[in-house]
Amino acid sequence: TQLLEQSPQFLSIQEGENLTVYCNSSSVFSSLQWYRQEPGEGPVLLVTVVTGGEVKKLKRLTFQFGDARKDSSLHITAAQPGDTGLYLCAGAYSGTYKYIFGTGTRLKVLA
Amino acid sequence: GAVVSQHPSRVICKSGTSVKIECRSLDFQATTMFWYRQFPKQSLMLMATSNEGSKATYEQGVEKDKFLINHASLTLSTLTVTSAHPEDSSFYICSALDSSTYNEQFFGPGTRLTVL
Repeated sequence: TQLLEQSPQFLSIQEGENLTVYCNSSSVFSSLQWYRQEPGEGPVLLVTVVTGGEVKKLKRLTFQFGDARKDSSLHITAAQPGDTGLYLCAGAYSGTYKYIFGTGTRLKVLA
Repeated sequence: GAVVSQHPSRVICKSGTSVKIECRSLDFQATTMFWYRQFPKQSLMLMATSNEGSKATYEQGVEKDKFLINHASLTLSTLTVTSAHPEDSSFYICSALDSSTYNEQFFGPGTRLTVL
């Protein structure tokens, strides 16, 4: 059972466009992570957020953790073909280091 | 960053045989490791939590007798898929928690298992 729903599932956009990916749950998480995964490889950590309302920026990527710590968003500004990949959110409950992954968003940025 | 390796990277086996996949933390100690499986076009599904020196904790619906996990040292966890069947074909990924920080899990590159 997937407890973290991501939307959209698929996204194909032109280079230079902006986009937002959402990660939603009915559960409260103590921390939430975002990963990007290339085909045939393990996921690579982009960011960890732990405080409700927290906003973190990583170059053109902006991550936000919801005030209630049940949801998160990833915004990419001026997308580039190199941003293509599978984006995954993952949440951990309080008192555990076990992360549950979201359903994933497959992004394709066209040159 | 910390490095986690998996071996083998790809394996093809016949139905009914057993396959062992190794997950190693190369430059840090990991008392806790996780095993995931990922089907094509899907997300990662947590299979079990591997704890050094104790029994693994399996997620609901994962058969512990089919997916044997051993975490005999602080740098090595193994997953053995017993009596493999074609439906076990998947991408298996491990991750390891750095025991000194516990705030980040480092993923291995994954193992592609194909059961004929």
